[in-house]
Amino acid sequence: QQQVKQSPQSLIVQKGGIPIINCAYENTAFDYFPWYQQFPGKGPALLIAIRPDVSEKKEGRFTISFNKSAKQFSLHIMDSQPGDSATYFCAASKGNYQLIWGAGTKLIIKP
Amino acid sequence: EAGVTQFPSHSVIEKGQTVTLRCDPISGHDNLYWYRRVMGKEIKFLLHFVKESKQDESGMPNNRFLAERTGGTYSTLKVQPAELEDSGVYFCASSQNRGTEAFFGQGTRLTVV
Repeated sequence: QQQVKQSPQSLIVQKGGIPIINCAYENTAFDYFPWYQQFPGKGPALLIAIRPDVSEKKEGRFTISFNKSAKQFSLHIMDSQPGDSATYFCAASKGNYQLIWGAGTKLIIKP
Repeated sequence: EAGVTQFPSHSVIEKGQTVTLRCDPISGHDNLYWYRRVMGKEIKFLLHFVKESKQDESGMPNNRFLAERTGGTYSTLKVQPAELEDSGVYFCASSQNRGTEAFFGQGTRLTVV
């Protein structure tokens, strides 16, 4: 019940395309759903986060879509750029503490 | 302002040896966390310090792992004796308050051979 399942494991998209990364969770007590971006040799950095009272949140080119009934959330990157190439992690928690992480998606944006 | 720094960035040791990882959090951050990512899998919580006190060590895998945070500043994570399954990337993160954004270090890649 504590798992967060993330897919796909890897993704290659042409520049300008819209990569979509999906996550599913099991614990209905979770109320905080962040996405982290990690570049090679760096630690994960918070990208965008959502709480279950909204179905969508947008920050710049990054959008989280949240489906509470399906217990799923996804990250969309609009107008993707080669600089967006990184590993993306979804996570979930109750109260932004003790995050339960997905396994990560390695995203490559081809120029 | 300096971010979270971890030392070393990479360590290769033989099974049975001891390794100590160090984390320097952002100055003024009372909360310090250790996480681990085993090859290609999810990042897992290991433990949480508030100042020098262990608030939650429910994620520590076994008693071969010992974390300390003397004086509430930097923290060390010792693995003794190391086993092959301990290989992975160990991340440290710090935050001002519990529940606020945690900032991660670059990680220490531990390889046990």
